Amino acid sequence: NAGVTQTPKFRILKIGQSMTLQCTQDMNHNYMYWYRQDPGMGLKLIYYSVGAGITDKGEVPNGYNVSRSTTEDFPLRLELAAPSQTSVYFCASSYRDFSEAFFGQGTRLTVV
Amino acid sequence: TQLLEQSPQFLSIQEGENLTVYCNSSSVFSSLQWYRQEPGEGPVLLVTVVTGGEVKKLKRLTFQFGDARKDSSLHITAAQPGDTGLYLCAARQVLSQGGKLIFGQGTELSVKP
Repeated sequence: NAGVTQTPKFRILKIGQSMTLQCTQDMNHNYMYWYRQDPGMGLKLIYYSVGAGITDKGEVPNGYNVSRSTTEDFPLRLELAAPSQTSVYFCASSYRDFSEAFFGQGTRLTVV
Repeated sequence: TQLLEQSPQFLSIQEGENLTVYCNSSSVFSSLQWYRQEPGEGPVLLVTVVTGGEVKKLKRLTFQFGDARKDSSLHITAAQPGDTGLYLCAARQVLSQGGKLIFGQGTELSVKP
């Protein structure tokens, strides 16, 4: 069972570069989320989606963009990487509002 | 401003001790969840509480949702080294658009043998 799959697992970016963090789930979940986690901290919500074609901002959306063209995929785009975006990024999905959120393994991003 | 305040942030105890972790807010929530995260992994759900005053037990873990649905607690009895990890509460606000799942800053628990 694949669940939620994130790629890549690790990435080093230079300041100003762009990249897309990929997230795909095979559980036919409607809800998908992107979080960032800084050392010793909890998870901060970047963007979320309640279904294909529908996305909305979370707590810390600046510097990021998302799209949701299919139920399965929810990529996160960093346009102009900054050192403040160094973090571990987690993608998650859930079937509906009250249900369990399943997380990917995370992407460790360093911006230098 | 943190919507969900967890306390304590760090807790180091000896095996066999009891502990309580708190998750507080000024907002009312439609549901609240507790997750546990191990290093290098994503969080994994422990429990969901949806009714004010609800108490759920999971072996040595007891979860309580406040009557006003603004706070929750996690109590561990006779902690074991395997309980070590980051404990996170997460919630959805009553009036928010569906899907906005917010996490607290976490409680880092270390249980020493």
